[in-house]
Amino acid sequence: ETGVTQTPRHLVMGMTNKKSLKCEQHLGHNAMYWYKQSAKKPLELMFVYNFKEQTENNSVPSRFSPECPNSSHLFLHLHTLQPEDSALYLCASSQDRGTFMGSEQFFGPGTRLTVL
Amino acid sequence: AQTVTQSQPEMSVQEAETVTLSCTYDTSESDYYLFWYKQPPSRQMILVIRQEAYKQQNATENRFSVNFQKAAKSFSLKISDSQLGDAAMYFCAYSLQGGSEKLVFGKGTKLTVNP
Repeated sequence: ETGVTQTPRHLVMGMTNKKSLKCEQHLGHNAMYWYKQSAKKPLELMFVYNFKEQTENNSVPSRFSPECPNSSHLFLHLHTLQPEDSALYLCASSQDRGTFMGSEQFFGPGTRLTVL
Repeated sequence: AQTVTQSQPEMSVQEAETVTLSCTYDTSESDYYLFWYKQPPSRQMILVIRQEAYKQQNATENRFSVNFQKAAKSFSLKISDSQLGDAAMYFCAYSLQGGSEKLVFGKGTKLTVNP
C-alpha cells in the first residue's frame, strides 16, 4: 500500500447504527486530518491530529468521534448519525515540521457515507 | 473569517487550448500559502501547485501556472495545452497558520476538456 488509504470506500448505515471509518498513511507523516465533502459546499475540516494529539475540532457534533492511536492510523467513529451527515469523508496527512511551511496535504480516496 | 471564493462552478476547454480558473480569498494575514488541488473523478485529491504569499514570482509547474495578485487577493490557475486527463474538480485553498496547518477550501470548479 502506498500513500493514504481509506476503508471502507462505501458505507450505508441507519441512523441507529455504529460504524467506524479507517484511514492509514504510509508516508511517515505526523499530522492527519478528517474532512467532510458535501455536494456544492466547500470541503470542511473536521479534525486535526498532530503527533497523535488532537489539535483541532472544528465544532463537529459529538456523534463523530475521532481516534488516533498512532501517527499512521486515524479513525472516525460514527453513531446516531443524521441523513444530512451523508457525504464523502476524506482523510489527509502531512508532515508538520513545527514551523508554518504550507505543507502539502496528501489525501485518501474517501469513504462515501450514506445515512438512511 | 477566512474565505475562499471560486466564482466559476463549471468551465470547459477544448483539448490543447488554455483555460484560466478564478479564485479570490479573504484574509487579514500577511503570511500564508495558497494551493490548487485537483480531484479527478476517481476522487483522490492531489496537489497541482502551491504559492507562498511572500513570493512575488508566480509559481509554475509544467503546464500549470498561477497569477497571484496579493493586493487584490486573487489567485487564478492557468492550464496551458489542456489534456483530457486535466478534466477534474479544481479546488483553490488557503493555508492558515496556528497550531496545525489548516486548509480552507473553495467550493471548486468542475473542468471539462472537450476532444
